[in-house]
Amino acid sequence: GQNIDQPTEMTATEGAIVQINCTYQTSGFNGLFWYQQHAGEAPTFLSYNVLDGLEEKGRFSSFLSRSKGYSYLLLKELQMKDSASYLCAVRDGDYKLSFGAGTTVTVRA
Amino acid sequence: EADIYQTPRYLVIGTGKKITLECSQTMGHDKMYWYQQDPGMELHLIHYSYGVNSTEKGDLSSESTVSRIRTEHFPLTLESARPSHTSQYLCASSELGTSGGFVNEQFFGPGTRLTVL
Repeated sequence: GQNIDQPTEMTATEGAIVQINCTYQTSGFNGLFWYQQHAGEAPTFLSYNVLDGLEEKGRFSSFLSRSKGYSYLLLKELQMKDSASYLCAVRDGDYKLSFGAGTTVTVRA
Repeated sequence: EADIYQTPRYLVIGTGKKITLECSQTMGHDKMYWYQQDPGMELHLIHYSYGVNSTEKGDLSSESTVSRIRTEHFPLTLESARPSHTSQYLCASSELGTSGGFVNEQFFGPGTRLTVL
């Protein structure tokens, strides 16, 4: 199985940058995903890393270090609509996802 | 439009009732999944399927059962609902593998919020 840790809550100001860290211990690794979940809604896919390094998609970037079991999601130019829970998930060799508990990001004006 | 659907969105039911949560996808995905999520908690995989007539139990023990008779349809059934089953149930689907460098992320339905009194 997987053990995935991420902070519970983070607060930032509109226009700022926030970095959400995720550490994992894995019995099999086939990629790391970040999902965004607004309250009461379904998770939506944000980013995917399977090799070490940084993946950039507009205002969102994600980094992976497989040797350290570490990833982060970077949110730039924060907007009010970015207030949501951000889920770190690790995929195993059977293509099953294990999720962290999520980090609730609150963006303040 | 390709999508994944769940019905009902909300269900309040009494203890002991049999219920079926519906999940359908129009993306032609082979893999489908059921997750259970309590407020503020992580998603837990309770069932998954790699294709027609294939079903497996997930990491979280569940008293529910699933079936996969058609590619697009993956219903979840509780034979006798109990208050401990109160939760949000999320269905998801994805492509089969990662050949060709595709990410094959999971796409989630809107969820069913179940309350058992």
